[in-house]
Amino acid sequence: EAGVTQFPSHSVIEKGQTVTLRCDPISGHDNLYWYRRVMGKEIKFLLHFVKESKQDESGMPNNRFLAERTGGTYSTLKVQPAELEDSGVYFCASGVGTNTEAFFGQGTRLTVV
Amino acid sequence: GDSVTQMEGPVTLSEEAFLTINCTYTATGYPSLFWYVQYPGEGLQLLLKATKADDKGSNKGFEATYRKETTSFHLEKGSVQVSDSAVYFCARTRNTGFQKLVFGTGTRLLVSP
Repeated sequence: EAGVTQFPSHSVIEKGQTVTLRCDPISGHDNLYWYRRVMGKEIKFLLHFVKESKQDESGMPNNRFLAERTGGTYSTLKVQPAELEDSGVYFCASGVGTNTEAFFGQGTRLTVV
Repeated sequence: GDSVTQMEGPVTLSEEAFLTINCTYTATGYPSLFWYVQYPGEGLQLLLKATKADDKGSNKGFEATYRKETTSFHLEKGSVQVSDSAVYFCARTRNTGFQKLVFGTGTRLLVSP
């Protein structure tokens, strides 16, 4: 069975441009999470989907970030316009019920120059 | 708020040396505690977990004990291998359940032959 898959693995964009990250969760996982690790700091929670609904988006840093999960399958995280401080590694995770382990993807390394 | 503090790296060891990576957490609520590992080029993997005080999580020769009195969850391994070189993240749950996590900053372990 395929694990959590994230695209692209790396992205380098200029400040002011738009980037869209994609996450394909494990099939059948209703819960999907986005996290990010900036500048070697801690990995921080961004938001949580249950199916297509945003359950908790308290970690989203500002309105330049937009996450969607249409149809409750894959999710996208768009950054528009990107700023230098958005550089980091963005992780996606998915899980079945909230009392079981969540499985993480390999992450997308975003570099804004 | 909830937080996790772990020792800064890198930790550099020779093969077969004893490993300790310190981790402490804020004592709010009754969190579950985790160690995740990220090998080069791979995603985050759950290494071990403990769900209540005095529980010991173990996997692949690694161990960590949930110490409520010292709010600690230190990771140990008796004899490290080159293949253990990775970044190790300590984490706790934010609320109930396993999936919404608060991470530490990560500790890079480098093991030389």
